[in-house]
Amino acid sequence: AQSVTQLGSHVSVSEGALVLLRCNYSSSVPPYLFWYVQYPNQGLQLLLKYTSAATLVKGINGFEAEFKKSETSFHLTKPSAHMSDAAEYFCAVSDRGGGFKTIFGAGTRLFVKA
Amino acid sequence: DAGVIQSPRHEVTEMGQEVTLRCKPISGHNSLFWYRQTMMRGLELLIYFNNNVPIDDSGMPEDRFSAKMPNASFSTLKIQPSEPRDSAVYFCASSQTGNGYTFGSGTRLTVV
Repeated sequence: AQSVTQLGSHVSVSEGALVLLRCNYSSSVPPYLFWYVQYPNQGLQLLLKYTSAATLVKGINGFEAEFKKSETSFHLTKPSAHMSDAAEYFCAVSDRGGGFKTIFGAGTRLFVKA
Repeated sequence: DAGVIQSPRHEVTEMGQEVTLRCKPISGHNSLFWYRQTMMRGLELLIYFNNNVPIDDSGMPEDRFSAKMPNASFSTLKIQPSEPRDSAVYFCASSQTGNGYTFGSGTRLTVV
């Protein structure tokens, strides 16, 4: 069975500061890993995905994530936070079987202070 | 591409009534997923289809919920009869195998 744990339901950073959102996964097979962002009253939007190519994955809006198998982690980072980054972020893991069912973490709400 | 289209955006209904949520996936995507999102339980996978065939409906809460995908361009999620605890945002998402999901904007269901 696969699972995802996001550490911290809320993270607050100042504008211009580093953003670090933590995600650990559990999977019995090599996983596909994703980060999604959800703005208020909208659906989730794909930020980036890891599918066994490069371990450092770059996504939209300046975000990137690094796959670390030894730590079973897939943390999301951005060097400099912007007010528009305030949203909820979801880490997700998917198996490689039929349908690629995806399990989502509980989400981390990011607050950006001026 | 218009993305994944869900209708209606908002639905308010009385307890006991039938509710039908609709989804049009992205053309060419072969998988379709229905999720429910609430503050208490987060995102829950209800059911997913691959090539129009239901693969896993273990997340469907009870027999009051049913989902169909009669063709590659349309899916419905039906609740009959509806109950107040069904109030949530229901998302439809589609994907091409191996890629991430594209989500619709969701249907906010309120059962009073």
